[in-house]
Amino acid sequence: NAGVTQTPKFQVLKTGQSMTLQCAQDMNHEYMSWYRQDPGMGLRLIHYSVGAGITDQGEVPNGYNVSRSTTEDFPLRLLSAAPSQTSVYFCASSYGTSGNQPQHFGDGTRLSIL
Amino acid sequence: GNSVTQMEGPVTLSEEAFLTINCTYTATGYPSLFWYVQYPGEGLQLLLKATKADDKGSNKGFEATYRKETTSFHLEKGSVQVSDSAVYFCALTSSSGSARQLTFGSGTQLTVLP
Repeated sequence: NAGVTQTPKFQVLKTGQSMTLQCAQDMNHEYMSWYRQDPGMGLRLIHYSVGAGITDQGEVPNGYNVSRSTTEDFPLRLLSAAPSQTSVYFCASSYGTSGNQPQHFGDGTRLSIL
Repeated sequence: GNSVTQMEGPVTLSEEAFLTINCTYTATGYPSLFWYVQYPGEGLQLLLKATKADDKGSNKGFEATYRKETTSFHLEKGSVQVSDSAVYFCALTSSSGSARQLTFGSGTQLTVLP
């Protein structure tokens, strides 16, 4: 029962480096999303996708890119890492388009930018 | 826009005490409401949900009632256990715009002492 799988679990980067956070789900969910979690701020939506080939921006998209070439995968790219992007990143997926279906979360990627 | 306001934490209770975590919201349309729980080092898991006014969501002894007149969705449990120690997030999706965007509260840390 894999659900939503995120890799890596931990990563340390230097300012200016780039990297890709991986997210895969095996539930054939249409909707996938990326959140960042910062202390005292809950989770904030970075980008989301309603299906392969379709992505859109969330609340805090700057500094991040996404693509959705398959239903299963939704990678998040940091083009030039900044200390302000130090956070815990969660990928989530859900079934359908009604908005009342629960989202399934991965275990998170803890990212530190030095 | 949509917003969720949660009771500030941290909350510390003794085992078997009664728990209430307050949650109020602002949203357009008719939102679906959720409580998610995050155990240490893990991603968020759906605890319960309610999709229309006066609905009561319940799971694992936790309950919350969708109160449209007071725009609230308070989480309650009659007798907490040490294993309930976690961070609890109230969230909503709105029926207008992109229905699948979750808006989260800032989270409430609960610690239950034996």
